[in-house]
Amino acid sequence: DAKTTQPTSMDCAEGRAANLPCNHSTISGNEYVYWYRQIHSQGPQYIIHGLKNNETNEMASLIITEDRKSSTLILPHATLRDTAVYYCIVRARTGNQFYFGTGTSLTVIP
Amino acid sequence: DGGITQSPKYLFRKEGQNVTLSCEQNLNHDAMYWYRQDPGQGLRLIYYSQIVNDFQKGDIAEGYSVSREKKESFPLTVTSAQKNPTAFYLCASSIGLRGARTYEQYFGPGTRLTVT
Repeated sequence: DAKTTQPTSMDCAEGRAANLPCNHSTISGNEYVYWYRQIHSQGPQYIIHGLKNNETNEMASLIITEDRKSSTLILPHATLRDTAVYYCIVRARTGNQFYFGTGTSLTVIP
Repeated sequence: DGGITQSPKYLFRKEGQNVTLSCEQNLNHDAMYWYRQDPGQGLRLIYYSQIVNDFQKGDIAEGYSVSREKKESFPLTVTSAQKNPTAFYLCASSIGLRGARTYEQYFGPGTRLTVT
């Protein structure tokens, strides 16, 4: 199963764009990239996912490189409520398990 | 109001006792999952079920048991055989397996279990 690598922590000023990188160099052709976030002591929240095209929804944008070996989650205007741990996940090849790593702890600073 | 409920939010037990954590969903999802999270760690998969009356072990199934008698319910029992049961337990559900597509998982609020 493809693994992901994310920075341990990041800061972002309130109102600015938060760009969270993820490396997944061993991703297979049919594997999707998913992003979740977890606010302290709550269940993870689904944000967005994609296969190879860039995706955008009301929460965020997902930019996937052409070789699909890395991606970036963009929160266009970060607020204090976006402070959370962000997980980049690549779907398992079999079944529908999701493997969560330790993610990136994003702190939005006033 | 659709969603996943877990109860209770906080649970305390004495060592040596079995304890069952509740997970209910009204999203009409086929698949359900149990994860464990320890402080500062990511989520680790305990068990998952893709359909009623069927379930598979995840990465850390030892000391846990599950049942899936109804589509809406996937209770997790933490047995006395689990050596370090104190953790944050998360239940999730998804539409299920549809060919090569993997659908997103939706998580409940979690149950924090403390065993002393």
